[in-house]
Amino acid sequence: DAKTTQPNSMESNEEEPVHLPCNHSTISGTDYIHWYRQLPSQGPEYVIHGLTSNVNNRMASLAIAEDRKSSTLILHRATLRDAAVYYCILRRGSARQLTFGSGTQLTVLP
Amino acid sequence: DVKVTQSSRYLVKRTGEKVFLECVQDMDHENMFWYRQDPGLGLRLIYFSYDVKMKEKGDIPEGYSVSREKKERFSLILESASTNQTSMYLCASTSLGLEGEKLFFGSGTQLSVL
Repeated sequence: DAKTTQPNSMESNEEEPVHLPCNHSTISGTDYIHWYRQLPSQGPEYVIHGLTSNVNNRMASLAIAEDRKSSTLILHRATLRDAAVYYCILRRGSARQLTFGSGTQLTVLP
Repeated sequence: DVKVTQSSRYLVKRTGEKVFLECVQDMDHENMFWYRQDPGLGLRLIYFSYDVKMKEKGDIPEGYSVSREKKERFSLILESASTNQTSMYLCASTSLGLEGEKLFFGSGTQLSVL
């Protein structure tokens, strides 16, 4: 399975944009890029996913590099409630399961 | 909204006990999963099931078994609990085979084996 690489931790100030990077240099053509986040004492929750084009939803935006070897999760205005571990995951189109890495711990400073 | 419910938030058991962790989802999802989460190791897949009575091993199935008698319920069984099975256990479900379909997780069961 293709692997992802994320920074262990990042900090952001409240109400500022946050760009969370993810490298996936061995991505294959059928791999979808998923992002999940895990708030303290909760199970992970879906944030966004994409294949080739940039994606937007009410929670975040996903920017995918043209060669698909990296992607960036963008939180447009960080709030204290966005403090969580963010996981970047590749999911092969035919696969049912997701393999989680260690993620990025995002700290939001007031 | 999809709901994935795990029967216990906290559980304390003794070494050698048989332990059942229950998970129920209310969205008619075909696929269900059990993960464990440990500090520094992230989430690791134990078992998953893509249909009633069907199961497949994940990355760390040793010491565990599962049961899926009904579509909405997926049970994780520790036949003889050991202290190294102290962990946070997370159940998840998703629809069948749709590319990019999202996983829905329960809140987790923190199991302590003494």
